[in-house]
Amino acid sequence: KAGVTQTPRYLIKTRGQQVTLSCSPISGHRSVSWYQQTPGQGLQFLFEYFSETQRNKGNFPGRFSGRQFSNSRSEMNVSTLELGDSALYLCASSLEADNTEAFFGQGTRLTVV
Amino acid sequence: GESVGLHLPTLSVQEGDNSIINCAYSNSASDYFIWYKQESGKGPQFIIDIRSNMDKRQGQRVTVLLNKTVKHLSLQIAATQPGDSAVYFCAENSNSGYALNFGKGTSLLVTP
Repeated sequence: KAGVTQTPRYLIKTRGQQVTLSCSPISGHRSVSWYQQTPGQGLQFLFEYFSETQRNKGNFPGRFSGRQFSNSRSEMNVSTLELGDSALYLCASSLEADNTEAFFGQGTRLTVV
Repeated sequence: GESVGLHLPTLSVQEGDNSIINCAYSNSASDYFIWYKQESGKGPQFIIDIRSNMDKRQGQRVTVLLNKTVKHLSLQIAATQPGDSAVYFCAENSNSGYALNFGKGTSLLVTP
């Protein structure tokens, strides 16, 4: 069974641009969560989706948004990129609605210049 | 606010020794805990989890201990190998927020 797949693996964007990251969960998993990882702040929760519904959102500005499709694939979007948005963006999927046994993808390394 | 934290930022052990990585949490409502291993350039890898109705759970070479009285979690790795070198994170989920709250991580270095 394939794991969580995130695309692209690496991305370089300029300040002010927008970016869309994609996550394909493990087959059969309906819960998808997104996290931002930086050396200074560690792993921080962005948002969580289950059956196309956002159930929770972390403490990030409105420039960060996401969605989930009917096939459970998810995308996150960051608009008006800032230098501080440079980070590893991680997606995790879980089979259960309570988000136990969450498995992560390899992440997308975003660099904003 | 509520948080999850790790006691030791770095841990160096000799190959073959046992490793113990500790984690403290402050949210008494936390009912589910996970340990992850993250190697350089990779996403966190699920190691083992435990629910709050248990105080110990064993996997292959790993044991997680949960002490709810003092809100403490530990990961024990038996016969540590060079391949165990990585950053280890504990995370907790109170089940009401559908989000994992991660600690800062402990870097484990296994020396030959």
